[in-house]
Amino acid sequence: EPEVTQTPSHQVTQMGQEVILRCVPISNHLYFYWYRQILGQKVEFLVSFYNNEISEKSEIFDDQFSVERPDGSNFTLKIRSTKLEDSAMYFCASSELANEQFFGPGTRLTVL
Amino acid sequence: AQSVTQPDIHITVSEGASLELRCNYSYGATPYLFWYVQSPGQGLQLLLKYFSGDTLVQGIKGFEAEFKRSQSSFNLRKPSVHWSDAAEYFCAVGAQANQAGTALIFGKGTTLSVSS
Repeated sequence: EPEVTQTPSHQVTQMGQEVILRCVPISNHLYFYWYRQILGQKVEFLVSFYNNEISEKSEIFDDQFSVERPDGSNFTLKIRSTKLEDSAMYFCASSELANEQFFGPGTRLTVL
Repeated sequence: AQSVTQPDIHITVSEGASLELRCNYSYGATPYLFWYVQSPGQGLQLLLKYFSGDTLVQGIKGFEAEFKRSQSSFNLRKPSVHWSDAAEYFCAVGAQANQAGTALIFGKGTTLSVSS
């Protein structure tokens, strides 16, 4: 069964450093998403991406965040200058059509 | 604004007993509703979804959910819980109906523990 994959599973970084989280969506899906879950809190939407551009973003997704589909299979989330409060589990998701989103296993980001 | 409320933070059920997890949503139109399950260290797995039609929807692993518009609820049920069902369960609503690429709004989740 096709699935969304994410790398790395755990990333530790120093405050102020740039990080890139990687995702491989399901191959025939057209819509890609990033969500985050701060420990003990709800899953929060960050951004959705379609046809090589952002289709929707939340207020959390500020100028320090960016997304890219650098090739035909990967979808990345970049955080330019990490802050302590960026520590969270980051989930990638993809969907073919309306809203049925399939999630990856997540990347746990720890900012020290 | 759309929102999802899961009133129960933690529920403990005996193995073999029935289960109902509550979910209430706030949405102006007919919502797209989902239940996801998250096992420790795992991602979010889709259990079931409601888009339209029959208000009782069947999902994987023996779960079902019933959409009740009058109560703005989408409660998840299972007639007989197995120890492997212990996990965190999230209810979610699509922020905009009938539009792909839109956000899912999640509840805070309910942690299910299963006792033997």
